Amino acid sequence: NAGVTQTPKFQVLKTGQSMTLQCAQDMNHNSMYWYRQDPGMGLRLIYYSASEGTTDKGEVPNGYNVSRLNKREFSLRLESAAPSQTSVYFCASNSGQEYEQYFGPGTRLTVT
Amino acid sequence: QKEVEQNSGPLSVPEGAIASLNCTYSDRVSQSFFWYRQYSGKSPELIMSIYSNGDKEDGRFTAQLNKASQYVSLLIRDSQPSDSATYLCAVRGATNKLIFGTGTLLAVQP
Repeated sequence: NAGVTQTPKFQVLKTGQSMTLQCAQDMNHNSMYWYRQDPGMGLRLIYYSASEGTTDKGEVPNGYNVSRLNKREFSLRLESAAPSQTSVYFCASNSGQEYEQYFGPGTRLTVT
Repeated sequence: QKEVEQNSGPLSVPEGAIASLNCTYSDRVSQSFFWYRQYSGKSPELIMSIYSNGDKEDGRFTAQLNKASQYVSLLIRDSQPSDSATYLCAVRGATNKLIFGTGTLLAVQP
């Protein structure tokens, strides 16, 4: 089992460009999450999907959109990247009945 | 007041000693508590979960929960240099989402 996978691992964007971060899990989990991690700020929830077909905003959703493509895949889209979105992005999942979350390896995004 | 608070450290302990990491939380209805380890440049890795008051032991790790004091801790016995990492406390609140602390950096000195 690969667990939670994310692509790409690194990305550099110019202000105004768009991109989609991909996340997939093979643990048959119902719930999936997108976080960003910034120095001194900890992990902050951007969006989550409690189950296939549903998505909800987290603490810092502005500037992002998400798609729960199927049970395995949950993507995060930046429509018009801004320097404030420079961060490390983590995808996580859990079964929904158990609350332990398991994280992917992360995407390091720089917006210039 | 932050919802989940941790001392940022660094906490420096000699090899073989007990490392004690602490976390306080503000939401009294919190039900589930987690400790994650994060090595520099890597993703968080779940090491302990605890749901009821008292101690829970797993190998060299012991999680302690005191809901009355809104306090959760992680003890690492026989600390090794490989334990050097940032330790994140996470709390599940009423919304069922995890709230993370900013982490404590642990440095184990050989």
